[in-house]
Amino acid sequence: QVTLKESGPALVKLTQTLTLTCTFSGFSLKTPGRRVTWIRQPPGRALEWLARIDWDGDKFYSTSLKTRLTISKDTSKSQVVLTLTNVDPADTATYYCARLRVVGKAYFFDYWGQGARVTVSS
Amino acid sequence: QSVLTQPPSVSGAPGQRVTISCTGSSSNIGAGYDVHWYQQLPGTAPRLLIFGNNNRSSGVPDRFSGSKSDTSASLAISGLQVEDETDYYCQSYDTNLGLYVFGTGTKVT
Repeated sequence: QVTLKESGPALVKLTQTLTLTCTFSGFSLKTPGRRVTWIRQPPGRALEWLARIDWDGDKFYSTSLKTRLTISKDTSKSQVVLTLTNVDPADTATYYCARLRVVGKAYFFDYWGQGARVTVSS
Repeated sequence: QSVLTQPPSVSGAPGQRVTISCTGSSSNIGAGYDVHWYQQLPGTAPRLLIFGNNNRSSGVPDRFSGSKSDTSASLAISGLQVEDETDYYCQSYDTNLGLYVFGTGTKVT
């Protein structure tokens, strides 16, 4: 059974760095083809993809947030960590980690965590 | 910044059939990338509904179906039920942006 769960602070101050952890089970990021991503959703708005990390260590970022995002993994702990620097109120959102599946030209998110709600305050 | 456009809402009576459109461009759906659909109940994470344009995810009733044509895609819900009243998002990949893109979202009432 595949599960993912996000953890991190519910409140972050303006200009600080947000660090979120995704702890997963039911699969290994050592397995070729496995990929984990982060996606966020501001209140009442659509989903926005943020970053991806692959079993071989490859990393990919949203072009609009690339300079502020870092994704990393700790395979031994089955964890993926996302950091977002210099936060502002526009970063207030629910942050999800999700497993990415790739089949030919199909890239989709088959398992999702429950989400971590983050508010940026001044 | 969604590059896939969906109608904000669609409505129907129980038992009816509704369809949700997802309009993209030549750099995503029109480039041959598959379209996927997610259902998001209030206060919960999105759930994969349809992958690869028309494949139902495990446990999804067969009254949900997907299709794709040129630069757009559709999700159809036949025999609409009360529990289907929620938000739906389409998703694909955009080769110009080099990232995964979601639709603007549609609320089914």
